[in-house]
Amino acid sequence: QKEVEQNSGPLSVPEGAIASLNCTYSDRGSQSFFWYRQYSGKSPELIMSIYSNGDKEDGRFTAQLNKASQYVSLLIRDSQPSDSATYLCAVNNNAGNMLTFGGGTRLMVKP
Amino acid sequence: GAVVSQHPSWVICKSGTSVKIECRSLDFQATTMFWYRQFPKQSLMLMATSNEGSKATYEQGVEKDKFLINHASLTLSTLTVTSAHPEDSSFYICSAAQGASQPQHFGDGTRLSIL
Repeated sequence: QKEVEQNSGPLSVPEGAIASLNCTYSDRGSQSFFWYRQYSGKSPELIMSIYSNGDKEDGRFTAQLNKASQYVSLLIRDSQPSDSATYLCAVNNNAGNMLTFGGGTRLMVKP
Repeated sequence: GAVVSQHPSWVICKSGTSVKIECRSLDFQATTMFWYRQFPKQSLMLMATSNEGSKATYEQGVEKDKFLINHASLTLSTLTVTSAHPEDSSFYICSAAQGASQPQHFGDGTRLSIL
């Protein structure tokens, strides 16, 4: 069983819509949660960090964490074609820096 | 802040060549850096954890004698692919974090093509 699970997609949404990306994790002791965006042929780029239950908003992005359900999500409002990328969920379940990555969800925003 | 620089960005060389890739944290110190490999349309795969002043920790299935890692200072880790062969062609990416429980920040990656 994978430790961090994501639907591989592709998730297709029209321009201007809300894209909802989901991630579940297996280790209840996980402390830190991150969302990365990876464009094709490029390295991952950090877009959100979340450490406590609830919502965290940054511009068009909102991360949601529910530790009881072992679930973290990313909402992208007013989706743009430039948001088309693979979104990686990453979880830190120890005191160090090692991350466990999900397989990523490919998002396609259609003009 | 939290900038990680990786060099070179692209390498094309003949089979049997050894290739060195550098990873630098530009504005912070990193006692731990990470090396990943990614094949086309596949997920990131952690190869090894690079520890400043000590031996790297390799993931299962990664040959430590083929992928030499040196973390000589708090801002520099190097990965040397020794006697590279076409099957080693891949996208190699390093990362580093500013502190415990902090996110990893990635370098731009090195695309390695072995002819």
